[in-house]
Parts: sequence; structure tokens; C-alpha cells
Amino acid sequence: AQRVTQPEKLLSVFKGAPVELKCNYSYSGSPELFWYVQYSRQRLQLLLRHISRESIKGFTADLNKGETSFHLKKPFAQEEDSAMYYCALDVQGGSEKLVFGKGTKLTVNP
Amino acid sequence: DTGVSQNPRHKITKRGQNVTFRCDPISEHNRLYWYRQTLGQGPEFLTYFQNEAQLEKSRLLSDRFSAERPKGSFSTLEIQRTEQGDSAMYLCASSLGGGRKTQYFGPGTRLLVL
Repeated sequence: AQRVTQPEKLLSVFKGAPVELKCNYSYSGSPELFWYVQYSRQRLQLLLRHISRESIKGFTADLNKGETSFHLKKPFAQEEDSAMYYCALDVQGGSEKLVFGKGTKLTVNP
Repeated sequence: DTGVSQNPRHKITKRGQNVTFRCDPISEHNRLYWYRQTLGQGPEFLTYFQNEAQLEKSRLLSDRFSAERPKGSFSTLEIQRTEQGDSAMYLCASSLGGGRKTQYFGPGTRLLVL
């Protein structure tokens, strides 16, 4: 079965500190993983996807198939990074629905 | 194009009543998805359309739920005989084609069943 685990419900860091949001997945097929972000009172929006290998707003994420992980990292957190972050797995074939983790609420303190 | 839109944004109803939500996807997006999100959880897949055809339904979608996309554009999600357990945020997303294209989400409809 497909599953995405985000072990931290809450994560609090100070401005300028590094931040890492953890994501592990379970999937027998070829994984495609995403990070979605939801800022306060806004809709869910794509932050980045592993296949594009981009850095968005200073965030990066590397797919580690051996550890089945897709952790999100940023070297210097900013207050505007405070949001809810969801890791999602695209299930291959058919609907290509997204399977989401439960999310991590990141708070960046001044 | 302002993105995916959903109406209403909020709905309060009494147990046993029927409710209907609407989703307008991004123009020309042929795939449309419905997800449900309850407190403390990530979105969970309910169903998906490719054009007007409903091609997959989750086991979460009980017989009281029905979704349509009659002309391959907007979609409606109806819940009959609502129960308190149906209280959730209902999210719609659309994408252009398959091949694991990015899904773009609407703002959601928050349902509260009293």
C-alpha cells in the first residue's frame, strides 16, 4: 500500500536557523514526490517536485530511494516560511492521485 | 485565469440534509480530482474525472456521495443524508493531462454538519 509519513506534526525554529522537514514514503512503484505548502488562509500550492530538481524559495528536497525519504531542507529559515507543509506521493498509472502525509506545521520565530 | 474555484466556501447543514458543492477547474484542464481533508490529516483522495468520465472512486466515497462532471468542465459533489462524520474540507484539484502533471488546488469548501 502507498503511504507517506511525516513524523513531525509541529516544528519550530528561529529565523536564520536551518530547517529540515522529514518525509518518508512506502511505495512499490516508481515514486514521484512533491512538497505542497499551505500558508495561512491560502490554498494548497505546489512548492517543489523531485523530478524538476529545482530550488524554490530556498527550499530543496532530494529523493533518497534507499532510505525512501524526501526530506525538505532550507539552510536559513525566514519568518515567511511559517506554514503547513505536506509531502505527497503521486501514484503511478490510472488516476495518478496524490497520497498525502499528515503535514508538518512549521513556525519560524523572530 | 484565476485558478481552480470552489463554491460555496463554507456550508453549515443539519444532519440528514443533502448538500452540493461545485468546482470550476482551470480552463482546458481535462483531469479533475476531489479530495477530503479532516482536522489533523492531509487531503485524502475521493474520486477523479478525465473529461466527463469518472474513472476512479475511493472506498471513502460511500453510496451517499455522488460526483458528476457533465460536460467535462465544472464538477459537482453531492452528499445525501449528511452525517456528522462528513464534516471536513472538500478540496478540488485539476491538472492538464496525465503523465504525473502538477495538480492545482482550489480553496476548498468547508462543510459542518450539525
